[in-house]
Amino acid sequence: KNQVEQSPQSLIILEGKNCTLQCNYTVSPFSNLRWYKQDTGRGPVSLTIMTFSENTKSNGRYTATLDADTKQSSLHITASQLSDSASYICVVQGSGTYKYIFGTGTRLKVLA
Amino acid sequence: DTGVSQNPRHKITKRGQNVTFRCDPISEHNRLYWYRQTLGQGPEFLTYFQNEAQLEKSRLLSDRFSAERPKGSFSTLEIQRTEQGDSAMYLCASSLFGLAGGPKEGNEQFFGPGTRLTVL
Repeated sequence: KNQVEQSPQSLIILEGKNCTLQCNYTVSPFSNLRWYKQDTGRGPVSLTIMTFSENTKSNGRYTATLDADTKQSSLHITASQLSDSASYICVVQGSGTYKYIFGTGTRLKVLA
Repeated sequence: DTGVSQNPRHKITKRGQNVTFRCDPISEHNRLYWYRQTLGQGPEFLTYFQNEAQLEKSRLLSDRFSAERPKGSFSTLEIQRTEQGDSAMYLCASSLFGLAGGPKEGNEQFFGPGTRLTVL
């Protein structure tokens, strides 16, 4: 079983709408959680990073939340744009390790 | 642009041929990572270097795969006798690991654009 599970696998929304992506993890002990955006055929680019003591972090129209007790995170995208079409990957780093553990991603498609 | 570059961006080869990819990390970064990503999946760790030393290799890295970072700067990943199952995106990332880095700043990995390999 993957230590980082994301849902939904894919999502289609209309331009201007909001959406929320989910990430559940079992990695323990936990250091930090990151959300990456990956455009098709490109490498992942970091959006947000949160340690266990942080509940929310914003980056423009992207807002990530973290509940370290339930081991859940979400990424909320406000007023979606066509350029938001990409895969969004949740990445968890365990405490005392360099290793990133990647989720399989949520593929978002924003339609005009 | 994260500052990490990879070449080539695309490679098409026939089964059985050897291929080599190059990664140029952010210049001051001492750690360099290689990942493999197949369609619809997240990246999977292959190996990483700290300076020129290869410190860990995943069991995904079969004997046909070899990676080097001879001078602690750029790195190469070679796949010998390619198989169709090797078709994937190969991602490189780099990070600065050191005493000054905390849990966030230390080990922030910056990814390159990837090399997409297609084995026919």
